[in-house]
Amino acid sequence: AQTIHQWPVAEIKAVGSPLSLGCTIKGKSSPNLYWYWQATGGTLQQLFYSITVGQVESVVQLNLSASRPKDDQFILSTEKLLLSHSGFYLCAWSHSHERLFFGHGTKLSVL
Amino acid sequence: GDSVTQKQGQVTLSEDDFLFINCTYSTTTYPTLFWYVQYPGQGPQLLLKVTTANNKGISRGFEATYDKGTTSFHLQKASVQESDSAVYFCALVEGSNYQLIWGSGTKLIIKP
Repeated sequence: AQTIHQWPVAEIKAVGSPLSLGCTIKGKSSPNLYWYWQATGGTLQQLFYSITVGQVESVVQLNLSASRPKDDQFILSTEKLLLSHSGFYLCAWSHSHERLFFGHGTKLSVL
Repeated sequence: GDSVTQKQGQVTLSEDDFLFINCTYSTTTYPTLFWYVQYPGQGPQLLLKVTTANNKGISRGFEATYDKGTTSFHLQKASVQESDSAVYFCALVEGSNYQLIWGSGTKLIIKP
């Protein structure tokens, strides 16, 4: 069975500090990977997607970057956090870009 | 561009009430349509998927019908339970695009 693990579960960071969020998928080779951002109680905004190792496509510009260093790993990062980065970050995988399987998310609070 | 509209931000019901959550979409072709459900503290999970080949999806007592004429994909359930409290998202994908188009979500609150 496939599993998706996101880390950390929650982060409290200062404005201007760096950030790195991670996501690992086990039990599925060559998945499509996605990063989403969700404001509290809000809709889902796709940030990035990747269909293969080393290739990441950006969907929106939010002063964030993503990388896929391994087939089963997806990293979201920034060198300088903004207040507007607060929210819920979700990693997801799919086999055929249709049905998405989401992780439990990381809650980020920027103060 | 493609869009999905959920006009109800929140729906409050009592147990055993009938549920109806509105969703309409706008695309140039016939997309695949989804309902996802997000429970507190979790990521969304697929509830229903409907393609142009099968007009109705049914899962866990929920059903949604793909209506090309009115471009709607409303979610219904005959009798809700407290455990159905969650946020429900309507979404579509068209062709080989790697981007799901999401509605704004409808929060369902069930009064015990």
